[in-house]
This record gives sequence, C-alpha cells and structure tokens, in this order.
Amino acid sequence: NAGVTQTPKFQVLKTGQSMTLQCAQDMNHEYMSWYRQDPGMGLRLIHYSVGAGITDQGEVPNGYNVSRSTTEDFPLRLLSAAPSQTSVYFCASSPASLGYEQYFGPGTRLTVT
Amino acid sequence: GESVGLHLPTLSVQEGDNSIINCAYSNSASDYFIWYKQESGKGPQFIIDIRSNMDKRQGQRVTVLLNKTVKHLSLQIAATQPGDSAVYFCAENPWGGKLIFGQGTELSVKP
Repeated sequence: NAGVTQTPKFQVLKTGQSMTLQCAQDMNHEYMSWYRQDPGMGLRLIHYSVGAGITDQGEVPNGYNVSRSTTEDFPLRLLSAAPSQTSVYFCASSPASLGYEQYFGPGTRLTVT
Repeated sequence: GESVGLHLPTLSVQEGDNSIINCAYSNSASDYFIWYKQESGKGPQFIIDIRSNMDKRQGQRVTVLLNKTVKHLSLQIAATQPGDSAVYFCAENPWGGKLIFGQGTELSVKP
C-alpha cells in the first residue's frame, strides 16, 4: 500500500490563481480530511468527507472547495489564491469518522505571492 | 469553543532520560485521544491512542495517561533517544471524526 499520497509536494502561486491539491489513498478508507498547518501551530481542519459524495466544512473552510467522487480521491481546490493561504496542507484518511487514527500524507507546501 | 492546548511549547531532555509532554483538553464529550509525532518536513505519524474508558495505555517506550477529572492528557517517553526529537501533538476526537489538534510541543534530545 502506498498509503496517503499528495501532489504536488511544493507549489508557488500568484494571488488570484487557482489550483487543485491532489490527495489519494489506497486503504479503502471512508473518511478523508484536509488540514492546514501554519508555523508554530497545530493542524486546523479545512474540509472533510465521511464517504463518497459526502463532504462537510471544518474549522477553516473559506476559500477552499472539495469534492469526493470516489472513495480513493479527495482533491482540495483553491479558487482564487490569497497570501493568507500560504501554508502546508495535509490530507488524511481513516477507516471511519470516529475513534480511529488518521493516516497523514506527506504534505504540500504552498506559497502564494 | 473546544480546544486542545499544550502547557509547554518546547522541551529539552538529555538522551536516556524520560520525557513527559502534557496536554489539556476542554471538551468533556471527547472520547478518543491521539498523540502524533511530526518530524521536520513530514506529515504527522501516529504514536499512541487512548479511549475515554481507559486511564492509561502503554506502547513501546511510550505511555499515555488520561485524567478525565482535570481533562489532562500526557505522553511519557522512556529512555528518550535522539530519534525522538520532533514536534508532538495531542488531538481529541469529540465527534464526527473532527480531530482537534493542540499547538504542539517541540522535543529536543541532547546527546
């Protein structure tokens, strides 16, 4: 198993540009989520999904969209990047939404200039 | 609102000593807690977890203690090694899989 994979590893965007961060898992996990991590801080939940076709907002959803068309993939879209979205983004998956550890991907470091 | 916080942002220990990292949580409804280790440039890695019906759980060189009375969680690392140097996060799982992370404690192990 590759586990949770994320692409790209690094990305630089100009303000106003759009892009999609990719996340995939091969563990047949129902639950997937996106977090952002800013310097000196813990991870904050952006969006999550409890299964294909079901998504919901986390703590900091503004400026981000998600969709879950398959169990394996959970892309995160930035429609109009802003400097405040400069961060490291982590995708995670879990067998279920409650009571299980979440497996994290290696992260995508995004810089918005 | 709910929050999970750490008492100490940094911890420096001598190699071979035991380390204790503390965490406070505020949501009494949380029933699952996790400790993660994050090395520089990597995603968080699972260390150990504990459910609210337990007070203590042991793993290999690590022990997690849960005190529900004072909403306190701690991670003990025995015989700390240089490879243990990392940032450690506690996280609580109050509902629906929404893990709430604390700020993190940076553990530095001196040889």
